[in-house]
Amino acid sequence: DAKTTQPPSMDCAEGRAANLPCNHSTISGNEYVYWYRQIHSQGPQYIIHGLKNNETNEMASLIITEDRKSSTLILPHATLRDTAVYYCIVLASNTGNQFYFGTGTSLTVIP
Amino acid sequence: DGGITQSPKYLFRKEGQNVTLSCEQNLNHDAMYWYRQDPGQGLRLIYYSQIVNDFQKGDIAEGYSVSREKKESFPLTVTSAQKNPTAFYLCASSTPPGTTQNIQYFGAGTRLSVL
Repeated sequence: DAKTTQPPSMDCAEGRAANLPCNHSTISGNEYVYWYRQIHSQGPQYIIHGLKNNETNEMASLIITEDRKSSTLILPHATLRDTAVYYCIVLASNTGNQFYFGTGTSLTVIP
Repeated sequence: DGGITQSPKYLFRKEGQNVTLSCEQNLNHDAMYWYRQDPGQGLRLIYYSQIVNDFQKGDIAEGYSVSREKKESFPLTVTSAQKNPTAFYLCASSTPPGTTQNIQYFGAGTRLSVL
């Protein structure tokens, strides 16, 4: 049940900002946007989530458009350790079960 | 040191054999999950449990079984009925549904191969 669309791959120069887009045109009013990343052969790692306001934490910023149909994850100063697959997921906070991980965006940070 | 511990890291199964993957968490989370990941693919939900002594099938439960006798533990058994068990298995836990912080935390995974 893919509710999000992400580009399959992206490159980013080390030290530059990485902007990862996600389309979620069918998002419902009670659904949050979550971002996770998975470094090769490890478990996914939570990055950030938001409902409609832009959010920032120590790892990244999340920009959600006003109509909530798309969002962008921003890694402000990408490092080689940010090379990973990034997943964008939409989920209502009261379901608690069906996190649908698609194939995500494979980000490669280039030295 | 709080978190989710999966063991073993690597596991080999012989034909016709049942194997059990361990998942333990000390985050005091009520909900726990098992996912399967095949190469180049996303995660698919096998089973989940919202509370002790209760669990529900996910999208690909056939050939798997689980138990939830303790809040901290959610073992997954890959039975001989699962004909293609080779995959990367991930366990996760989260706070209960309805909370604003519906965040799943993942273990490091178990890689299962068939001999």
